[in-house]
Amino acid sequence: QVKLLQSGAELVKPGASVKLSCKTSGFTFSTSYMSWLKQVPGPSIEWIGWIYAGDGGTNYNQKFKGKATLTVDKSSSTAYMDLSSLTSEDAAVYFCARLTGRPNYFDYWGQGVMVTVSS
Amino acid sequence: EIVLTQSPTTMAASPGEKVTLTCRASSSVSYMHWYQQRSGASPKLWIYETSKLASGVPNRFSGSGSGTSYSLTINSMETEDAATYYCQQGSSYPFTFGSGTKLEIK
Repeated sequence: QVKLLQSGAELVKPGASVKLSCKTSGFTFSTSYMSWLKQVPGPSIEWIGWIYAGDGGTNYNQKFKGKATLTVDKSSSTAYMDLSSLTSEDAAVYFCARLTGRPNYFDYWGQGVMVTVSS
Repeated sequence: EIVLTQSPTTMAASPGEKVTLTCRASSSVSYMHWYQQRSGASPKLWIYETSKLASGVPNRFSGSGSGTSYSLTINSMETEDAATYYCQQGSSYPFTFGSGTKLEIK
């Protein structure tokens, strides 16, 4: 069955970077679109961007350009997200999810990873 | 950016009660998708393309709507349906979510 397994919780200092991973199985990763999403209680869920595993093509939410960088490793069917220059506003739970093509919904989700930003 | 407004923000329903959650879009969208999220868990796809039930979703759930107005209906509320429900549009970038409706059991 489809599985998306995310790396563990992160505690990072302000100004630092963090790399989150999402190891997948149960589907053809190389022809899939993988997305990352941010959830903070109250403001709901925000879509960060997608990456096409086939060629590494990306599409970012303008709000997260310069903050998030999406990459993949096809050999291990793993998606990654780098978050840079972290501030308290980046503290959240981050999910990876598989994105269907149009009409663009998220059919499988990882378990989520909490990122805490604190000195 | 398309803003999705969900109502109500929270509600409580009795077992057996009919429940309707609504989602209004600031501009017309082609489809609406819905997710269920229980406390401490990741969201699950619940309804896609406005009215199609995701795998394993009980048929007491249904979805409908078009343009800027969409709804999710539970024909007969059950205890296990208590959760937060989010709508999401993928018609235009950036993809956006509503702020959720928290549904509780009375």
